[in-house]
Amino acid sequence: DSGVTQTPKHLITATGQRVTLRCSPRSGDLSVYWYQQSLDQGLQFLIHYYNGEERAKGNILERFSAQQFPDLHSELNLSSLELGDSALYFCASSVTGFGYTFGSGTRLTVV
Amino acid sequence: AQTVTQSQPEMSVQEAETVTLSCTYDTSESNYYLFWYKQPPSRQMILVIRQEAYKQQNATENRFSVNFQKAAKSFSLKISDSQLGDTAMYFCAFILGGATNKLIFGTGTLLAVQP
Repeated sequence: DSGVTQTPKHLITATGQRVTLRCSPRSGDLSVYWYQQSLDQGLQFLIHYYNGEERAKGNILERFSAQQFPDLHSELNLSSLELGDSALYFCASSVTGFGYTFGSGTRLTVV
Repeated sequence: AQTVTQSQPEMSVQEAETVTLSCTYDTSESNYYLFWYKQPPSRQMILVIRQEAYKQQNATENRFSVNFQKAAKSFSLKISDSQLGDTAMYFCAFILGGATNKLIFGTGTLLAVQP
């Protein structure tokens, strides 16, 4: 157990639907990062939150949004889902210089 | 902008042998950290080893060690006594110092350990 908790582990939904992915960072970590990994692809940075504030955005679609709550857990909302959104979505939290600790990911399948 | 390049998409090694995975990066900053992550078939991202840029000594973690050449901006991973469980995708990653910087990944090297 890495200490970063992601739920659900698997999600199957239809095109056009909306889903919410949840992440709880390790105790004490203020940063939460979201990454998308499509099949046989590298990790694409989506968004970074630090202590409730958005700090950086990467290649995140307008159909996607995220937030970090006062208890530091984060949610990634994906709407108007398309087949191409099928991917593994990782959340990670970090302490400066020690690298990221990743959750086990949410595997999203859009059918 | 910072970039990370892994020029070996795939590699293969015999069990018990040694293999080196290459990584180069580009930055004009002096305060940064480098990492190797392993992603086995389970798709879990696992931190293998980390290196602080200000340290000249190469990091070592059991069978894993790095060759950090700061002037050349090179950060290779050596796996000794390769085991079947080392079969995975390996990602080189870079982050600037500071609490709010994102981790930048290379495209990965798929390592297959053959029995």
